[in-house]
Amino acid sequence: AQKVTQAQTEISVVEKEDVTLDCVYETRDTTYYLFWYKQPPSGELVFLIRRNSFDEQNEISGRYSWNFQKSTSSFNFTITASQVVDSAVYFCALSEQGGGSNYKLTFGKGTLLTVNP
Amino acid sequence: ETGVTQTPRHLVMGMTNKKSLKCEQHLGHNAMYWYKQSAKKPLELMFVYSLEERVENNSVPSRFSPECPNSSHLFLHLHTLQPEDSALYLCASSQDGNSNEAFFGQGTRLTVV
Repeated sequence: AQKVTQAQTEISVVEKEDVTLDCVYETRDTTYYLFWYKQPPSGELVFLIRRNSFDEQNEISGRYSWNFQKSTSSFNFTITASQVVDSAVYFCALSEQGGGSNYKLTFGKGTLLTVNP
Repeated sequence: ETGVTQTPRHLVMGMTNKKSLKCEQHLGHNAMYWYKQSAKKPLELMFVYSLEERVENNSVPSRFSPECPNSSHLFLHLHTLQPEDSALYLCASSQDGNSNEAFFGQGTRLTVV
């Protein structure tokens, strides 16, 4: 069974603050993939990052950075110098092999981030 | 034009109505998905189609009936729904395989009255 836990339901920060969104996962698979998605008010989920279970190197993309720690089963997401446009619901997801060669994503409940001016 | 397009964006239907949600992807993917997003709940995978064949059905009630006529189109036929079925229904597509990210549409906001 898989589980993705995003313990923070809502976070509110002031613009230019740094903010970290937590994600903890459970899986019995040795090979798996972790994802972060952003859901702005318009509704669609926007892909942010994919990380496989064998690559624990942290990644930085502009103001975004991700910290993958297999030892604690965590895949946390940090936004540096937050902006109002970062306001959205952020989902962490874990993939497992489904039927045949297909995969399916298990999502956390999401964290609503509000960045105030 | 987005890669995954869903219509309608909003739908209000009575419990005795029959309606259909449509999803179209322009990305050349061969797998398509329906997800349900209810308030304060994780996204729930409903159906998976790969190469137009249904490969996953997560114990979804029969009042939801998917159809995948080709790899670019996916429908969700709705009939005799309940108020608790009100939610955001998201369609996604991907290339087969564990490592491929799914691309999502903007969703259909469904309200059952």
